[in-house]
Amino acid sequence: AQSVTQPDIHITVSEGASLELRCNYSYGATPYLFWYVQSPGQGLQLLLKYFSGDTLVQGIKGFEAEFKRSQSSFNLRKPSVHWSDAAEYFCAVGAVQGAQKLVFGQGTRLTINP
Amino acid sequence: NAGVTQTPKFRILKIGQSMTLQCTQDMNHNYMYWYRQDPGMGLKLIYYSVGAGITDKGEVPNGYNVSRSTTEDFPLRLELAAPSQTSVYFCASSKGSSNQPQHFGDGTRLSIL
Repeated sequence: AQSVTQPDIHITVSEGASLELRCNYSYGATPYLFWYVQSPGQGLQLLLKYFSGDTLVQGIKGFEAEFKRSQSSFNLRKPSVHWSDAAEYFCAVGAVQGAQKLVFGQGTRLTINP
Repeated sequence: NAGVTQTPKFRILKIGQSMTLQCTQDMNHNYMYWYRQDPGMGLKLIYYSVGAGITDKGEVPNGYNVSRSTTEDFPLRLELAAPSQTSVYFCASSKGSSNQPQHFGDGTRLSIL
């Protein structure tokens, strides 16, 4: 069965600092991997996705993520955060075949210090 | 372009009452999903549908029912509300294949008292 672990429940960074959010997954084959962002009172918005090919994927809002098969990780990064990046971030893994039944991590809440 | 629309946004129910959470999408997506999000947790799949007339259980289906009579609509029904069903409910949709991203509604915050 698929599973996702986001080890950090809450992270605080200063505006302009770099960011890395961790995600580890468990899946028997090459997975489909996603990062979603959730602003307060809103639904989830897709930041980026990995299916195959280049292991470094670019997303919206200046985010990128790197798929490392050997470490079963898909960490999210941003070189310089903005106050508007404060939100909850979810990593998710999906099965390669069939309906896209996503399994989500528990989320990482990001706080930005001015 | 509305995307995925959920109604109502907020609702308070008494234990034992029933209600239907509405979800509609205007993107002609075949796949639709219902999730619940509990505090400090990720989303858990309740039910999903791969097309009109076809539904299947997700990870936490107990206490819920769904139907999919049209491509656009995927209502979620709670028959006998219980306090454990207090949660935020999200509906999502996606195109047919498993590598397509899901598009989410803004959620329904439901409290059972």
